[in-house]
Amino acid sequence: QVRLVESGGGVVQPGRSLRLACAASGFEFYTYAMHWVRQAPGKGLEWVAHMSLDGSNIDYADSVKGRFTVSRDNSKYILFLQINSLRPGDTAVYYCVRESLGNVFFDFWGQGTLVTV
Amino acid sequence: QSALIQPASVSGSPRQSITISCTGTRNDIVAYNYVSWYQQHPGKAPKLIIFDVRNRPSGVSDRFSGSKSGNTASLTISGLQAEDEADYYCASYTKSDTRVFGTGTTVTVL
Repeated sequence: QVRLVESGGGVVQPGRSLRLACAASGFEFYTYAMHWVRQAPGKGLEWVAHMSLDGSNIDYADSVKGRFTVSRDNSKYILFLQINSLRPGDTAVYYCVRESLGNVFFDFWGQGTLVTV
Repeated sequence: QSALIQPASVSGSPRQSITISCTGTRNDIVAYNYVSWYQQHPGKAPKLIIFDVRNRPSGVSDRFSGSKSGNTASLTISGLQAEDEADYYCASYTKSDTRVFGTGTTVTVL
């Protein structure tokens, strides 16, 4: 079955960096666009970043542009999110999300990893 | 990239129908029929319940329905049940090739 398992979260000091990873299984990872979505404690969902299936197209929310970098290793079925210059406002659960094939909605979500700054 | 606007809360009695609105702009909801809706129970990951304005994924109850008019999309839950108590988020594709979520609505079953 489809699985997305995030890791790399934790407690970190402001200004430091963190790299989140999302291990995918149960589907052909290299054929899907992937996203990161975050949710601050008690708050709503915020779209963070998108990477196309081959990495040729990348987009970021204005709120994270310049500090966040998304990447992927299709040979290992892993999606990454590099977060630099962490701020208290980055405290959130970070979800790895699959985009439905050929569509623009999210059809499968991981359970998330908590980042506390 | 301003969030789509949803009411903070909506409530209804069992078996009633409720509607959640989601208001956007000409850069997102007006421009495309790519509105989706997600249900999130406390402590859980969101779950897709409506895509492309009005389509339901396999396995989602037909009590959930979606529509759109102008800059506002809507989610209707018919025959409200206790298990429908959750947070609901709309989302849209945008002209900038990004995605935007709504502010979220908490549904309470009285």
